[in-house]
Amino acid sequence: GQQVMQIPQYQHVQEGEDFTTYCNSSTTLSNIQWYKQRPGGHPVFLIQLVKSGEVKKQKRLTFQFGEAKKNSSLHITATQTTDVGTYFCAGRLNYGGSQGNLIFGKGTKLSVKP
Amino acid sequence: GAGVSQTPSNKVTEKGKYVELRCDPISGHTALYWYRQSLGQGPEFLIYFQGTGAADDSGLPNDRFFAVRPEGSVSTLKIQRTERGDSAVYLCASSLGATGELFFGEGSRLTVL
Repeated sequence: GQQVMQIPQYQHVQEGEDFTTYCNSSTTLSNIQWYKQRPGGHPVFLIQLVKSGEVKKQKRLTFQFGEAKKNSSLHITATQTTDVGTYFCAGRLNYGGSQGNLIFGKGTKLSVKP
Repeated sequence: GAGVSQTPSNKVTEKGKYVELRCDPISGHTALYWYRQSLGQGPEFLIYFQGTGAADDSGLPNDRFFAVRPEGSVSTLKIQRTERGDSAVYLCASSLGATGELFFGEGSRLTVL
């Protein structure tokens, strides 16, 4: 079935270092969303990318959607301890013109050492 | 608040029992999703409703799992003859339309002994 692969599974960084997580789909996506889940919490929406090659920024976070709409990345510049959590990408499928369900990757768990 | 509400927050049951989990979405949200999440894993898609109908139920693992949304608002996930492997956090999410961001509830933690 449809899969959304995400790497790395874990990332340990020193505070101030950069962090990147990558997401790849086996098929073309209608759009992709990114979520953050803090320990013990539920996923919280960060952003949605729709257009091929789209780049969006939120303060220290930069999100990209690949030209083929099959891959995406999230880059955090100068990590802070508040960035700790698991980051998920979620790809929305496109079934014959109607929007399909949202498939989550397994996530990248980020830990930040102060 | 006006967020997604899930009940119960915790459910402990014995193998073979029947369980119902309820989700009350944000008012006006037409799309409703059920996911389950095991420790250290991403949310695993179960079923997606658009209004009252199941737009995609391809994620339901087998016929022991069933979900309804009779009036296009509250949804109930029903699990028959529970097995230990069903233990997980069951997450419900709603969105304003078919393509919008998902708002998740706090989840229902199911433990099958």
